[in-house]
Amino acid sequence: EAGVTQFPSHSVIEKGQTVTLRCDPISGHDNLYWYRRVMGKEIKFLLHFVKESKQDESGMPNNRFLAERTGGTYSTLKVQPAELEDSGVYFCASSQDIQRGTDTQYFGPGTRLTVL
Amino acid sequence: DAKTTQPPSMDCAEGRAANLPCNHSTISGNEYVYWYRQIHSQGPQYIIHGLKNNETNEMASLIITEDRKSSTLILPHATLRDTAVYYCIVRVGGTFNAGNMLTFGGGTRLMVKP
Repeated sequence: EAGVTQFPSHSVIEKGQTVTLRCDPISGHDNLYWYRRVMGKEIKFLLHFVKESKQDESGMPNNRFLAERTGGTYSTLKVQPAELEDSGVYFCASSQDIQRGTDTQYFGPGTRLTVL
Repeated sequence: DAKTTQPPSMDCAEGRAANLPCNHSTISGNEYVYWYRQIHSQGPQYIIHGLKNNETNEMASLIITEDRKSSTLILPHATLRDTAVYYCIVRVGGTFNAGNMLTFGGGTRLMVKP
């Protein structure tokens, strides 16, 4: 079974440009999460999709970030325009329905974003 | 903010058991204890989780105290590849409502030495 995949693995852009990150969850997983780690900080939650609906977007830092999950399969996270402080590693995770009272999130390898 | 407290670093000799402690004194009755690890800059890797009973899988064992205020992750025979940052996370179960994300703290940096 394929795990969570993310594309690209690395992205280097200039301040003010737009970047789109993609996440393909494990097949059949309705729940998709985005997290990120900026330099020197802890991994932080961004948002959570259940199928194509945004269940929780309380961690989105500002309106320069737009996440979509059309059709409830893969998800994209667009940063427009990118700022220096957006540099970091963006992780995606997915999970199935609740089993044994909870769901387990499985993470992708991450996309390392560098804004110059 | 993270609801757990972990030592920032630990060393373990290769082949010995690694015992990683975690305090979660404010854990609620419906919160699970999860352990993840991050090897170098890879994505966090799920290890194990539990509610109140001890759990074991092919990777590790999780021992939760009876009052649930602390737990220990045990890697029975640590190898060099187990060198990583280990995160203990408490998380509410049984719901996909808002607030059910994983909240990462600083974790414990485990160094397995030859």
